[in-house]
Amino acid sequence: EIVLTQSPGTLSLSPGERATLSCRASQSLSSSYLAWYQQKPGQAPRLLIYGAVSRATGIPDRFSGSGSGTDFTLTISRLEPEDFAVYYCQQYGSSRRGTFGQGTRVEI
Amino acid sequence: EVQLLESGGGLVQPGGSLRLSCAASGFTFSSYPMSWVRQAPGQGLEWVSVISGSGDSTYYADSVQGRFTISRDNSKNTLYLQMNSLRAEDTAVYYCAKEKPPWLRLFDYWGQGTLVTVSS
Repeated sequence: EIVLTQSPGTLSLSPGERATLSCRASQSLSSSYLAWYQQKPGQAPRLLIYGAVSRATGIPDRFSGSGSGTDFTLTISRLEPEDFAVYYCQQYGSSRRGTFGQGTRVEI
Repeated sequence: EVQLLESGGGLVQPGGSLRLSCAASGFTFSSYPMSWVRQAPGQGLEWVSVISGSGDSTYYADSVQGRFTISRDNSKNTLYLQMNSLRAEDTAVYYCAKEKPPWLRLFDYWGQGTLVTVSS
């Protein structure tokens, strides 16, 4: 089973700064089947990025994804107040499970 | 507009049972696999179970295999999760989630969740 490890656990930044979140897979992900979700307190997760680099519908272009193989990155170019949340990476497509990372909290 | 609305959560004793429902609207329900994903208090996300669009194929996480049963009624646009032999570690918010084809376990819409608390 593929294990996803996210780092750092918590990222403390200010509005306007750049956020860089990492997700490392224990095995190479086929066809870059890696997604990123955002979750705010008391809310359901929201799909941000899939296929490692493709933004989901309605996602602002300050969110971008990169990477392949085992190393993936979510970048938020300039943090807006509404971007402070927990972010999860997830591998999908290659197995019947959908394994999530443990999450990175982006805090002010 | 896609909407998913869970219900049926609550407090149940260890060893008890509970059935969750998820009412779907805004899309052709029978065309999409649907999953349940849970989140224990203060913890991350754990995929629980999936059912195919027709309902003839199901799959479970090891942690719930043999205790939980996923089903759907496409005539009612509703997804279900029957949870038996509940344990304290099943305490979580349970989300239903729609898959984004053609990929397995990629979720483009989620419900707001329903809280299940297993405690005596």
